[in-house]
Amino acid sequence: DQQVKQNSPSLSVQEGRISILNCDYTNSMFDYFLWYKKYPAEGPTFLISISSIKDKNEDGRFTVFLNKSAKHLSLHIVPSQPGDSAVYFCAASGSGTYKYIFGTGTRLKVLA
Amino acid sequence: KAGVTQTPRYLIKTRGQQVTLSCSPISGHRSVSWYQQTPGQGLQFLFEYFSETQRNKGNFPGRFSGRQFSNSRSEMNVSTLELGDSALYLCASSRSGRDEQFFGPGTRLTVL
Repeated sequence: DQQVKQNSPSLSVQEGRISILNCDYTNSMFDYFLWYKKYPAEGPTFLISISSIKDKNEDGRFTVFLNKSAKHLSLHIVPSQPGDSAVYFCAASGSGTYKYIFGTGTRLKVLA
Repeated sequence: KAGVTQTPRYLIKTRGQQVTLSCSPISGHRSVSWYQQTPGQGLQFLFEYFSETQRNKGNFPGRFSGRQFSNSRSEMNVSTLELGDSALYLCASSRSGRDEQFFGPGTRLTVL
């Protein structure tokens, strides 16, 4: 039972354009969400998080949007840069737990 | 500030053997989580420790166990290895377990 889903395994975007990565979840108890970036042969690197009390959080070029009614979150990267090419994971945690459920990842390729 | 370190980085074992992986968290972090990453499966949560106590456990068989020491360092043990245990094992640390996690580079385990 995949509670966190990233339905697009890959995405290609031109440099300078917007990258939008999507994530859907099924568990309404999830209240904290994170995005990670992963390069080959390295551990995931934390990018940005959002609590369920918010619907948007920004950090530089990265913005995460949360739509609780749709159980959907998205990560926007503007402008996209070739160095952003990596696998992106979303993760969710439920209230009162210390367990993160990860999606299967989306491979982003930013074309120069 | 030193990051999360994991040892060893690579390990080759045969079926039936056991293995112990080690993780040293970032100084000041008391929560350590372990994940298994296999192709197509994303990161699967194994367990989380805080102040030497396991607070959450994922859906893995009892062959997978862990512990945390008073200095927050953690070890993970897999007994009676199976071919399907071949994976990248990632450790992540955080201050409380409900904030952003910082990952180590992982231990690549190959079971022959």
